[in-house]
Amino acid sequence: DAGVIQSPRHEVTEMGQEVTLRCKPISGHNSLFWYRQTMMRGLELLIYFNNNVPIDDSGMPEDRFSAKMPNASFSTLKIQPSEPRDSAVYFCASSYAQPQHFGDGTRLSIL
Amino acid sequence: GQQLNQSPQSMFIQEGEDVSMNCTSSSIFNTWLWYKQDPGEGPVLLIALYKAGELTSNGRLTAQFGITRKDSFLNISASIPSDVGIYFCAGQLGGSGGGADGLTFGKGTHLIIQP
Repeated sequence: DAGVIQSPRHEVTEMGQEVTLRCKPISGHNSLFWYRQTMMRGLELLIYFNNNVPIDDSGMPEDRFSAKMPNASFSTLKIQPSEPRDSAVYFCASSYAQPQHFGDGTRLSIL
Repeated sequence: GQQLNQSPQSMFIQEGEDVSMNCTSSSIFNTWLWYKQDPGEGPVLLIALYKAGELTSNGRLTAQFGITRKDSFLNISASIPSDVGIYFCAGQLGGSGGGADGLTFGKGTHLIIQP
């Protein structure tokens, strides 16, 4: 069975550029989560959706970050403009009630 | 916000030894989860706990949901080289039948096994 699929796996870009991270949740899952992992802060929840509706975006660090879920099989996390401190591994996870299953992440480096 | 205190931060053990790690919280969670993360990959679920006092096993792994709902532990028996990795606890306010909500993670336990 296909798990959570994230793309790209790696992204290197210069500061000021727009970055778009993509996620395809597990088929049949109705909740989708975006997390960020850094050495300093560990794994942190950014935002999550239930049935394509954003429920809690209190973890989104700044207005430069935005997330959308146009349908049940696709979500994006966008950073515009990007800054070096946004460098991290970004994970997407999905679930149907419980528990959450994670993708392999996007490693983002902002130069 | 909520924080999970996970300990130890790292463990250096000999192959075949048993391992124990734990997580504590200042607030109550209704679900406790344990994940393992290998380099370059996402966290993989090991055990999910949904009931206070619950003790659950998955092969050589055993985890318990503390009776106060503020703590959990994970034990690994007879460690083998493939157990190497980072282990994370995670707490969730939602229960097994409730609506989904985000996870609060501990900072992880790095397990290193010397052959």
